[in-house]
Amino acid sequence: DIQMTQSPSSLSASVGDRVTITCRASQSISSYLNWYQQKPGKAPKLLIYAASSLQSGVPSRFSGSGSGTDFTLTISSLQPEDFATYYCQQSYSTPPTFGQGTRLEIK
Amino acid sequence: EVQLVESGGGLVQPGGSLRLSCAASGFTFSSYSMNWVRQAPGKGLEWVSYISSSSSTIYYADSVKGRFTISRDNAKNSLYLQMNSLRAEDTAVYYCAREGLDWPTFDYWGQGTLVTVSS
Repeated sequence: DIQMTQSPSSLSASVGDRVTITCRASQSISSYLNWYQQKPGKAPKLLIYAASSLQSGVPSRFSGSGSGTDFTLTISSLQPEDFATYYCQQSYSTPPTFGQGTRLEIK
Repeated sequence: EVQLVESGGGLVQPGGSLRLSCAASGFTFSSYSMNWVRQAPGKGLEWVSYISSSSSTIYYADSVKGRFTISRDNAKNSLYLQMNSLRAEDTAVYYCAREGLDWPTFDYWGQGTLVTVSS
């Protein structure tokens, strides 16, 4: 199975900050990398697919980059509704696997 | 509007069985592959099972293989997960998730149903 490792595991930031979350795969996954946002008690929501494609309806302050083994999710200017947990997920091979999550908290 | 609504969760004893359902609406269910993904309390996301649109291809996570069975009824726009020989470590919120058509991703999720395995 492909292991996905996110860093950091938690992050404190302020409204208006630029934030970057990193995801590393244990082997090359080309661009088969997706990002999700999950708020407490809610289902995950797809933000980014294919490493850098913005899902319909997702604000443009979210962006993704990377290929191979190293990927990033960037939020250009944090909004109050962005405080949540973020997960990366590889869809290169079965089983699909997730990173352990990055909890983004208000400073 | 795409909607996925899970049901069937609850409290079950170790070794028991439970059948989860997911009712789909707002899209052509028979055209999409579907998945079950779970999340143990306070933990991350774990993929459980996949079924193709015609049920011709099915995959399971090693952790549930031989105990869980995924199925679907396209006439009823419904997805199912039959869970047998349940263990404490199966305790989780179970989500049904639609597979994207153009890219392998979980593009829509239900609200989840909680399964608790405890004596």
